[in-house]
Amino acid sequence: AQSVTQPDIHITVSEGASLELRCNYSYGATPYLFWYVQSPGQGLQLLLKYFSGDTLVQGIKGFEAEFKRSQSSFNLRKPSVHWSDAAEYFCAVLEYGNKLVFGAGTILRVKS
Amino acid sequence: KAGVTQTPRYLIKTRGQQVTLSCSPISGHRSVSWYQQTPGQGLQFLFEYFSETQRNKGNFPGRFSGRQFSNSRSEMNVSTLELGDSALYLCASTPGQSLSGEQYFGPGTRLTVT
Repeated sequence: AQSVTQPDIHITVSEGASLELRCNYSYGATPYLFWYVQSPGQGLQLLLKYFSGDTLVQGIKGFEAEFKRSQSSFNLRKPSVHWSDAAEYFCAVLEYGNKLVFGAGTILRVKS
Repeated sequence: KAGVTQTPRYLIKTRGQQVTLSCSPISGHRSVSWYQQTPGQGLQFLFEYFSETQRNKGNFPGRFSGRQFSNSRSEMNVSTLELGDSALYLCASTPGQSLSGEQYFGPGTRLTVT
């Protein structure tokens, strides 16, 4: 079975600082990878996805992620964090069909 | 377009009861998936429906079931509720038949079992 690991349960960054959230996946073939964000009391919102091609993908809200096959990683980055980015972030891999396998999530806290 | 809607948003049930949750996908979306989110187990896939047929199923007991109607709306049912069924149940819809995994989530139904 496929798996996704998000090593950091909590991360705190200062507003305006850069952000990198880590994600490692276990998948035999070329993975379809996703990052979702969840604000308290809300559902999940898709930030970006990687299917193939350019390994650096751009998403919404100024986020980007880089696929590195050699490291089985798909880390999420943002150059300057805003207070409104405080939320929980989930990395996911498409296992088969439309089944997503999610990581445990990383809670982002933004200090003002 | 309106997003994915789920009803009810909050629900309190007693152990042993059954519950039905409803999901209306984005207009034109034909695939609906359900996920359970708990603090201990995280986000786990329950099942997926496409054109009224269950296309995929996660590793949950038979107490968890679902169905999809001809208008793509979906319901999930949990019978004989247990305390461990307390969770946020999320529905997601996907456009068309393509298995792209690009899913659009609703706000969820918060189920509390007492």
